[in-house]
Amino acid sequence: GQQVMQIPQYQHVQEGEDFTTYCNSSTTLSNIQWYKQRPGGHPVFLIQLVKSGEVKKQKRLTFQFGEAKKNSSLHITATQTTDVGTYFCAGPKGGKLIFGQGTELSVKP
Amino acid sequence: DAGVTQSPTHLIKTRGQQVTLRCSPKSGHDTVSWYQQALGQGPQFIFQYYEEEERQRGNFPDRFSGHQFPNYSSELNVNALLLGDSALYLCASSLRPAGTNEKLFFGSGTQLSVL
Repeated sequence: GQQVMQIPQYQHVQEGEDFTTYCNSSTTLSNIQWYKQRPGGHPVFLIQLVKSGEVKKQKRLTFQFGEAKKNSSLHITATQTTDVGTYFCAGPKGGKLIFGQGTELSVKP
Repeated sequence: DAGVTQSPTHLIKTRGQQVTLRCSPKSGHDTVSWYQQALGQGPQFIFQYYEEEERQRGNFPDRFSGHQFPNYSSELNVNALLLGDSALYLCASSLRPAGTNEKLFFGSGTQLSVL
């Protein structure tokens, strides 16, 4: 079964609004990775977080790894139409990289 | 520097048939992972190949098998196709076996439709 959970499944926002997706694991993760998949495309690596409580920023994107290393979040400030796509978190479990179900973001101009 | 390449891009098969999908990893990468992505779902891990051996396997039946060649390219074979096998099959390569701290580079995928 799914071992990495993401919420929400869908998020529809007006351009300029903020967006957040959350990722939770039942077990501690050595690291968490985030990927973006544009409609009709393939997942593309965004970032990796390794340390407890780590926060990393990429322009309008802020990634956070929880203190217990069981949860993570991705926050986008002032969304743009170019942010449209599905955002996946992924964590290593049993030697495999396991993906969450993803959060699909749509942005209305 | 070529990224991960997959072939074919699209494939239509009928139930009971067999299919072979191919993947060439990113230059310099020696590990290939295969994922199945159903519509609206996250990628589901099928298996991973490193040093020409299957190193990790997900929860997929034996109908799914693979191979890695000395040049690190890989094949995914699916026998006795079922309607439920219809999905996007993604190949991903990494410098070392993923499941540690390695990020994955994905190919564009093969869209398989089983009729």
